[in-house]
Amino acid sequence: AQTVTQSQPEMSVQEAETVTLSCTYDTSESDYYLFWYKQPPSRQMILVIRQEAYKQQNATENRFSVNFQKAAKSFSLKISDSQLGDAAMYFCAYRSASTDKLIFGTGTRLQVFP
Amino acid sequence: GAVVSQHPSRVICKSGTSVKIECRSLDFQATTMFWYRQFPKKSLMLMATSNEGSKATYEQGVEKDKFLINHASLTLSTLTVTSAHPEDSSFYICSAAQCPTCEAFFGQGTRLTVV
Repeated sequence: AQTVTQSQPEMSVQEAETVTLSCTYDTSESDYYLFWYKQPPSRQMILVIRQEAYKQQNATENRFSVNFQKAAKSFSLKISDSQLGDAAMYFCAYRSASTDKLIFGTGTRLQVFP
Repeated sequence: GAVVSQHPSRVICKSGTSVKIECRSLDFQATTMFWYRQFPKKSLMLMATSNEGSKATYEQGVEKDKFLINHASLTLSTLTVTSAHPEDSSFYICSAAQCPTCEAFFGQGTRLTVV
């Protein structure tokens, strides 16, 4: 069975600085997708970034980028120029290409200090 | 992105009663929807996969007779918590998959409190 591990329950960053959130996963499949979701206090899940496993190039969305290491089964999220609005729970998630089910990690609470 | 609407956002019910939560995909058809439960400061736990026109697939440990799921159309899935107990109090979230990418879009969630 696939698992997703987020080893950092909480992280903090100063406004305008950079922070990296860690995520590792375990799977025997070769074709899958990885995601980072943000859950602000409103609790609405928001997709931050997505990575297809077959793509070697790391995904980037404005201030958000990932470091995808397929062999190491690692998928970290880097937030550059952190803003107060980035404060939220961040969940790493895995989806097999053969199913629509998302498997979530335990989450990392990110605090942003002015 | 696509919009998924979940209703109600908050509900309080008495022990022993049933409560229905709706999940609608507003601008796309979703053959598959998912229901999650989230405990405070915890991750999302998948409860069941709702398939349009067929029976839902429940995850291990989830009582299908307690959490009734109906996916009667391509835009609506409902979760009914039957004979609710205080331990059913939780945050319930639905998501709908928009294919062909099968991207997941989430509803706003429902805070259920059973008193």
